[in-house]
This record gives sequence, structure tokens and C-alpha cells, in this order.
Amino acid sequence: EVQVVESGGGLVQSGGSLRLSCATSGFTFSSYWMSWVRQAPGKGLESVATIKPDGSAIFDADSVRGRFTISRDNANNSLYLQMNSLRVEDTAIYYCVRGDLDYWGQGTRVSVSA
Amino acid sequence: QAGLTQPPSVSKGLGQTATLTCTGDGYNVGNQGAVWLQQHQGHPPKPLSYRNNNRPSGISERFSASRSGNTASLTITGLQPEDEADYYCSAWDISPSGHWVFGGGTKLTVL
Repeated sequence: EVQVVESGGGLVQSGGSLRLSCATSGFTFSSYWMSWVRQAPGKGLESVATIKPDGSAIFDADSVRGRFTISRDNANNSLYLQMNSLRVEDTAIYYCVRGDLDYWGQGTRVSVSA
Repeated sequence: QAGLTQPPSVSKGLGQTATLTCTGDGYNVGNQGAVWLQQHQGHPPKPLSYRNNNRPSGISERFSASRSGNTASLTITGLQPEDEADYYCSAWDISPSGHWVFGGGTKLTVL
């Protein structure tokens, strides 16, 4: 059974940092592109970053470029999102998503206070 | 990074058929097809169809996806109360380096 479990969210002040993790199981992690997608309160879905199986990041949203870094550890079947210089507008639920958006985690909530 | 276009809301009666639309361009929907997602309040999105319009295992045959040019559609037949939810489309955009683009979502109300 495919499992995708995010962790690392929390409350942080503006300008602070957080590192999100996504633990996966039930599939060959090293074969799949992976993405982080976020959803601000009451808003729609927004792609944050996508990474290829070999670890080369191929997309960062304009709103996070230079502040967020996506990475992966294929040996440990894990995906990460390092978030620096956080802003109030980064407040959202962050989802870890497999490949063609076919499996989603439950999400981890990030709240940034002014 | 422009998004895909979805109507904000659609209302239909119990047992009726709803067709939701998603319009992009030749770099996303027209090139790669669209994924459809259903989201109930407080829950993560759930895939209803893949880019090839196939349904994931366990998804009711009442949900069917199609595409014509740059517009993708999701048709839901025999509407049930549990179909009331937000529906999002997404497509892989090949410009410039590739990224997922989402529609703003359609709130489906079952009357």
C-alpha cells in the first residue's frame, strides 16, 4: 500500500525557517518525480516545487524561488522542503504528492505569524 | 505562472448530471491532458482521473473525464449528496521547464 506522510509543520515567525519532511513507502520512491503542493486557508491548490528521481529540482514557484529548496533522499524514501525567510503569505497546508498527482499525503500545516 | 480556468461554482439537482470544465492552452491541457481531483472540506485532494482520462482504482464509474483541444471536462452522472465538494483540475505545463498548474477549483453543490 502506498503511503505518503508529511511532518515538520508548525507555527513560526515571519523570517523564520522550517524543514518539511515526507516519508513514503509502498512504492519504488527512486523512480518517481515528487512534488510539494500547498493550499492557503480557503484557497485553491498551488504547486510549490517538483523534483526529478535523480534529485534535480525542475520547478520552483516564483513566489518561493530563492527561499525554498526541494530535495530528496532516495536511500530513505524521503522528500524534503527547506523553507527559509518565511512570509505570512506562506501560511498553508503543504502536501507531499507522488508523480502524476496520484497519491497525496494528509498534509502538514504551516502557519507564519507577522 | 498562469493557472487553468474553471467556473467557480456549479449547482445541480440530486440524480442529475454535472459537467465541469477546465480550460488551459497548448502547453498544458492541450499537450499533456488533465488530472481531476476531488476535495471535501478538511481532507486532502483525491484523484478522480489521470492525464489519460483513466480512473484510479475504486473511483466510481459515475465520474468520467474527457478532453477536446485545450479544454478538459469531468462529467458526474447520477449526482449524490456526497459528490458535493470542490473539484480541481491540474495539468503538466511544459513551459519553460515544466511544472504543475492548477485550476482555481469549482464548488459543486448538489441540490
